[in-house]
Amino acid sequence: QKEVEQNSGPLSVPEGAIASLNCTYSDRGSQSFFWYRQYSGKSPELIMSIYSNGDKEDGRFTAQLNKASQYVSLLIRDSQPSDSATYLCAVSYNNFNKFYFGSGTKLNVKP
Amino acid sequence: DAGVTQSPTHLIKTRGQHVTLRCSPISGHKSVSWYQQVLGQGPQFIFQYYEKEERGRGNFPDRFSARQFPNYSSELNVNALLLGDSALYLCASSSDSGGYEQYFGPGTRLTVT
Repeated sequence: QKEVEQNSGPLSVPEGAIASLNCTYSDRGSQSFFWYRQYSGKSPELIMSIYSNGDKEDGRFTAQLNKASQYVSLLIRDSQPSDSATYLCAVSYNNFNKFYFGSGTKLNVKP
Repeated sequence: DAGVTQSPTHLIKTRGQHVTLRCSPISGHKSVSWYQQVLGQGPQFIFQYYEKEERGRGNFPDRFSARQFPNYSSELNVNALLLGDSALYLCASSSDSGGYEQYFGPGTRLTVT
């Protein structure tokens, strides 16, 4: 079983819509959660981190964490064509200093 | 402030050769992690170093090794290269070890022929 699971997509949304990206993880010992954006041919760029249950908002982005259900999600409001990229979910286990990434969800925002 | 820097940008090696990749973290960051990313997959964790000590290791063979220097820069070494080692190698820096935010460098594209 993979540590971090993401739907590979592609997820297509029209410009201005809300894009919802989901991620599940297998280890209840996970303590830190991150969303990265990766454009084709580029390195991952940190969007948000979340450490406790609930919602965390930063501009058009909202991360949601539910440790009981072992999932973390990312909402992108007012999606723009420039948001078209692969979104990577990452989970870390503090005591073991390891990070696990999902395979990413490809998002296409259509003008 | 400068971000994470990596060198070289691209590299072509032959099977069986050795390669050294270099990384300089963000100023003030003391932790460096290395990842391998194969096309179509997420980054796979190789090592984490903090204050010159190895703090974490992923499921990679002993052909992979790394070290961190007093100035917090780091090297990743891969011996006896295989075709399957062809990938984008990413370095990430963070202020501390463990589950802190990591910031990635541009990566080194390694091709093994």
